[in-house]
Amino acid sequence: QAVLTQPSSLSASPGASASLTCTLRSGINVGTYRIYWYQQKPGSPPQYLLRYKSDSDKQQGSGVPSRFSGSKDASANAGILLISGLQSEDEADYYCMIWHSSAYVFGTGTKVTVL
Amino acid sequence: EVQLVESGGGLVQPGGSLRLSCAASGFTFSSYSMNWVRQAPGEGLEWVSYISSGSSTIYYADSVKGRFTISRDNAKNLMYLQMNSLRAEDTAVYYCTREASDYWGQGTLVTVSS
Repeated sequence: QAVLTQPSSLSASPGASASLTCTLRSGINVGTYRIYWYQQKPGSPPQYLLRYKSDSDKQQGSGVPSRFSGSKDASANAGILLISGLQSEDEADYYCMIWHSSAYVFGTGTKVTVL
Repeated sequence: EVQLVESGGGLVQPGGSLRLSCAASGFTFSSYSMNWVRQAPGEGLEWVSYISSGSSTIYYADSVKGRFTISRDNAKNLMYLQMNSLRAEDTAVYYCTREASDYWGQGTLVTVSS
């Protein structure tokens, strides 16, 4: 079982909200981790969006719009990236990441399509 | 402006070696930890290695441990990745990243093939 699991794809309409999940493997408690989020468009390197551990420990990437926000669902043991007011330019792959056992671990990635 | 520029990629035969470089500018390089992250064609992101700001702490992914060596020269604002005993599965774009990957370079392609 992967350390971080993300749905492979998600589709949503322009203007809608999209909630991307990053589920931590059983036995790894989401509450203890900073979750980092990245956006990657075809042919370009990933770009840092934000990190989220709690409402008092969070950071928005430089120049990243506030419609990108982070949260957690403790009951699902998951980190969440919420994209509000989806735009066509948000169509991309999204990855989560944590620091776990002396290594950075990336999620499997979610491809977001804006219909 | 933070800039990270990778170089040194190319085509190498299985079992061969390659050294990647990352030139950093726009920030106090010696104050930040750095990483190498790779992405195989059509695949997701894989963290490769970490080096602390003063080189005292180094970590590797299990997939490269014993074959790759990370290092840095803070006087020259450079980071390196020495890759030995290369395998076909090491074929990827290799990115240099700062800290928890808040900044990324454009990447350099390493192709391992005969």
